[in-house]
Amino acid sequence: GAGVSQSPRYKVAKRGQDVALRCDPISGHVSLFWYQQALGQGPEFLTYFQNEAQLDKSGLPSDRFFAERPEGSVSTLKIQRTQQEDSAVYLCASSLGSPRLPTRGYTFGSGTRLTVV
Amino acid sequence: SQKIEQNSEALNIQEGKTATLTCNYTNYSPAYLQWYRQDPGRGPVFLLLIRENEKEKRKERLKVTFDTTLKQSLFHITASQPADSATYLCALDMGIKAAGNKLTFGGGTRVLVKP
Repeated sequence: GAGVSQSPRYKVAKRGQDVALRCDPISGHVSLFWYQQALGQGPEFLTYFQNEAQLDKSGLPSDRFFAERPEGSVSTLKIQRTQQEDSAVYLCASSLGSPRLPTRGYTFGSGTRLTVV
Repeated sequence: SQKIEQNSEALNIQEGKTATLTCNYTNYSPAYLQWYRQDPGRGPVFLLLIRENEKEKRKERLKVTFDTTLKQSLFHITASQPADSATYLCALDMGIKAAGNKLTFGGGTRVLVKP
């Protein structure tokens, strides 16, 4: 597609519910990132994939957070037993290829706004 | 501890003037520094990237400087327009110094250009 697509745009979850957030990166983009953005703050790194390999998951806040990218394209971020502190915008970004040449920056999706009530 | 600081207060500026935003960091040695624009309800949009061995980069009305001694980047919008109103984020990229090339963002500065 023309850009990074995320769905749903908005999600309201009851505390304790599991949620799954989807990211469709730009076709052919090797690198995929998930970020969490609280209101009024900058995005914070969650995890990074190069193709289907999850190379860095150091930003995942707890073992309730899980991400996958099984075929190296679409990625899903899953949050189990959601808590109120999980309320945030979850952003996905993709990049064409080698992280050693980030001259074009990263292309972000519009995000999924998660509200846990 | 590691910190990235941007002016947390909104910058109000008159149309036609130059807006200058700062990004200061401590305890990082980035290979690249990137600037993004973010509009409400949207994801960040890439604007400019500057390498650690570059002092200045320009793109149309935008100019970025990078001083690795001061650990500071300045972002200038010249001849500002109301359409430039947005939040501007700086992001550090460690390049090959760190696995994954994740970006570490500052908190952003909101710019409001008044006609």
